[in-house]
Amino acid sequence: DIQMTQSPSTLSASVGDTVIITCRSSQSVSYWLAWYLQKPGKAPKLLIYRASSLENGVPSRFSGSGSGTEFTLTVTSLQPDDFGTYYCQQYDTYPYTFGPGTKLDIK
Amino acid sequence: EVHLLESGGGSVRPGDSLRLSCAAADFTFSTYAMSWVRQPPGKGLEWVSSIGGSGSGTYYADSVQGRFTISRDNTKNTLYLQMDILKVDDTAIYYCARGSARHDFWGQGTLVTVSS
Repeated sequence: DIQMTQSPSTLSASVGDTVIITCRSSQSVSYWLAWYLQKPGKAPKLLIYRASSLENGVPSRFSGSGSGTEFTLTVTSLQPDDFGTYYCQQYDTYPYTFGPGTKLDIK
Repeated sequence: EVHLLESGGGSVRPGDSLRLSCAAADFTFSTYAMSWVRQPPGKGLEWVSSIGGSGSGTYYADSVQGRFTISRDNTKNTLYLQMDILKVDDTAIYYCARGSARHDFWGQGTLVTVSS
């Protein structure tokens, strides 16, 4: 199975900051990677798919990049609604696997 | 907007069975693959299973292979997850999600608790 790792595991930032979250896979997943944001008690929300494509309705301050085994999610000009836990997921090879998550909270 | 509503969760003993349902609305259900994703309390997300739009092509996580069965009834716009030989480690919120890879819509989840 493909193992996913994320760094950092936790992150504190302020409104207006720019943050970068990294996701790595144990083998190449090409660009078949998605990013989700989950808030406490809620279902995850799709932000980015195919590594860099912005999901409909997601603000342009979110962007994704990378291919192969290393990917990044960048959030510029952080807003209060952006805080929560971010997950990456590879969908190149079954079983599809999620990263352990990066918790972003308010400094 | 797309609606997904899970049901069927509850508290059971190890070894018991449970069937989850996910009622879909406001999109052409039969043209989309569907998936189940779970989340143990306080932990991360785990993909569980996916099924193609026609019902052919089913895939499972290693942890549930041979115990869980995903299916769908396109005449009822409903996705199912039959869970047999349940284990304590199966305790989680179970979400249904549209798509087999890119999960663009999710239900609110249903809690399954397995405890002796």
